[in-house]
Amino acid sequence: GENVEQHPSTLSVQEGDSAVIKCTYSDSASNYFPWYKQELGKGPQLIIDIRSNVGEKKDQRIAVTLNKTAKHFSLHITETQPEDSAVYFCAASIQAGTALIFGKGTTLSVSS
Amino acid sequence: NAGVMQNPRHLVRRRGQEARLRCSPVKGHSHVYWYRQLPEEGLKFMVYLQKENIIDESGMPKERFSAEFPKEGPSILRIQQVVRGDSAAYFCASSPLARAGLNEKLFFGSGTQLSVL
Repeated sequence: GENVEQHPSTLSVQEGDSAVIKCTYSDSASNYFPWYKQELGKGPQLIIDIRSNVGEKKDQRIAVTLNKTAKHFSLHITETQPEDSAVYFCAASIQAGTALIFGKGTTLSVSS
Repeated sequence: NAGVMQNPRHLVRRRGQEARLRCSPVKGHSHVYWYRQLPEEGLKFMVYLQKENIIDESGMPKERFSAEFPKEGPSILRIQQVVRGDSAAYFCASSPLARAGLNEKLFFGSGTQLSVL
């Protein structure tokens, strides 16, 4: 089955810096790669997703890149703010109707 | 529109008791997923259900755990004879009917924190 590895497990940055989180996946058939943000005491919320027919996607300060050949994808957050502090999860799935497989998460701390 | 509703938020059980966790999906969503989250770990897939059908239960322990999503009412995750190792946060997520070939995003509830004494 699919296996998703996520690095780093913790990341501390100064406000205004950029943050990058990387994930690798094992199943070349995976075609959907979402990123979720989880704040303390809440459920994960989707922040951005990318499908395998696209190499990069941006949404304001957030961008995701996908390298299908290397089977890895990354989340980039620019101009970080304290409210970006949370746990971020990457995930992958093979096809519609199958479960998302998540990485172990990255705890991002943005200090002002 | 109400999001995914899970109850209770916190559930305390003694070893050997039964735990029942409820999940009401977003209105109109026909797919429900259950995940378990332990400290320092990610979200572990447990089971995927559609109305009245279990689609994939490969992540759910074969013993003591069961799940259902009836035609009417919420999805239920049941854990019988709980043990301390069952203590975790259990999250439910829902998604609408998948369009052909496209994965639909998951909407998560706020979770149920199960504590086994």
